[in-house]
Amino acid sequence: ILNVEQSPQSLHVQEGDSTNFTCSFPSSNFYALHWYRWETAKSPEALFVMTLNGDEKKKGRISATLNTKEGYSYLYIKGSQPEDSATYLCAFMGGGSNYKLTFGKGTLLTVNP
Amino acid sequence: DSGVTQTPKHLITATGQRVTLRCSPRSGDLSVYWYQQSLDQGLQFLIQYYNGEERAKGNILERFSAQQFPDLHSELNLSSLELGDSALYFCASSVVGGSPYNEQFFGPGTRLTVL
Repeated sequence: ILNVEQSPQSLHVQEGDSTNFTCSFPSSNFYALHWYRWETAKSPEALFVMTLNGDEKKKGRISATLNTKEGYSYLYIKGSQPEDSATYLCAFMGGGSNYKLTFGKGTLLTVNP
Repeated sequence: DSGVTQTPKHLITATGQRVTLRCSPRSGDLSVYWYQQSLDQGLQFLIQYYNGEERAKGNILERFSAQQFPDLHSELNLSSLELGDSALYFCASSVVGGSPYNEQFFGPGTRLTVL
């Protein structure tokens, strides 16, 4: 059974704060790490697909890093805005998994105005 | 709007019944994935189809089955329903079936309530 852990479970920040959260995954047999953003009453939306150790991806104020050797990825949000409030999911794809994604339970971010 | 459609949006039924959830992938996407989101659980992968063929299977119960039709839409059939099957069921699609590099596009989900 693959273990994909996300921390913290939830986070409250003030508008303008920068924040980050962690996704931990198995460090062996790595294929890819996906990040999704899931707003309440909507469906998950892809942010990044990361495949190489040391990968850094950026989309606007959101960026992510990847360390496959130690099995973690960080998601950073710079200058959080209320519209960033959502659950951020990471999903691990391992070799031999037939390209199945195993999702973490997510980090719920609330940005207070 | 991801381009993935799911019907119905909500479904309320009784234990022991059978339901069918429907998904139409984005235009051009050959792969369809089904996920279950229960209370306190992460998104659990159920099954994947690629161009009509089953490609990968997750923790899908024997009471559940799926298929993908020639027009690429997919149906998830849930039978002998139990209270614990109440969940949000998502369908997602991607362009290809076997690449780790392709993001998945999620539909709006079907919320199933079993009473």
